[in-house]
Amino acid sequence: AIQMTQSPSSLSASVGDRVIIACRTSHDITHDLSWYQQKPGKAPKLLIYATSSLQSGVSPRFSGSGSGTDFTLTISSLQPEDFAVYYCLQDYSYPWTFGQGTKVEIK
Amino acid sequence: QVQLVESGGGVVQPGKSLRVSCEASGFRLSAYAMHWVRQTPGRGLEWVAVISYEGTVKFYADSVKGRFIVSRDNSRNTVHLLMNALRLEDTAIYYCARDTGPLDAFDVWGQGTMVTVSS
Repeated sequence: AIQMTQSPSSLSASVGDRVIIACRTSHDITHDLSWYQQKPGKAPKLLIYATSSLQSGVSPRFSGSGSGTDFTLTISSLQPEDFAVYYCLQDYSYPWTFGQGTKVEIK
Repeated sequence: QVQLVESGGGVVQPGKSLRVSCEASGFRLSAYAMHWVRQTPGRGLEWVAVISYEGTVKFYADSVKGRFIVSRDNSRNTVHLLMNALRLEDTAIYYCARDTGPLDAFDVWGQGTMVTVSS
């Protein structure tokens, strides 16, 4: 199975900050990576698919980049509603695997 | 509106079986592959299984292979996950999720159903 290493596991940031979350895979997955946001008590929500495509209805302050084994999710200007846990997911080969999650907290 | 609703969770003893279901509304289920994903506080999100749109292709996580069976009934807009030989570590919230298609991702999720394996 492809291993996922997501970093950091948590971070504290202020409203307006630029936030970058990284995801590294153990094998080349080309561009087959998506990002999800999860708030307490809720199901995850799709933000980015195919590394950099913004899901319909998602704010453009979210962006994704990368290829091969290294990927990033960037929040350009953190808003109060962005405090949540973020996960990456590789969909290159089964079994699909998630990153361990990054909790974004208020500083 | 597009929606997935899981049901069937509960408390079950180790070694027993339980079936959870996912009912789709607002879209044609038969056009989509469907997945099950579970979540535990200590282990984050874990992909569990996938079933192709017509039900002929299935894949499973190693942790459930040989114990869990995914199936679907497109005529009833429903996907099922039959969980056999349950273990304590299968305790989790189980979500069903819709696969977007060629650019694989989960674009629609259910609210989840809690499965607790306990003696």
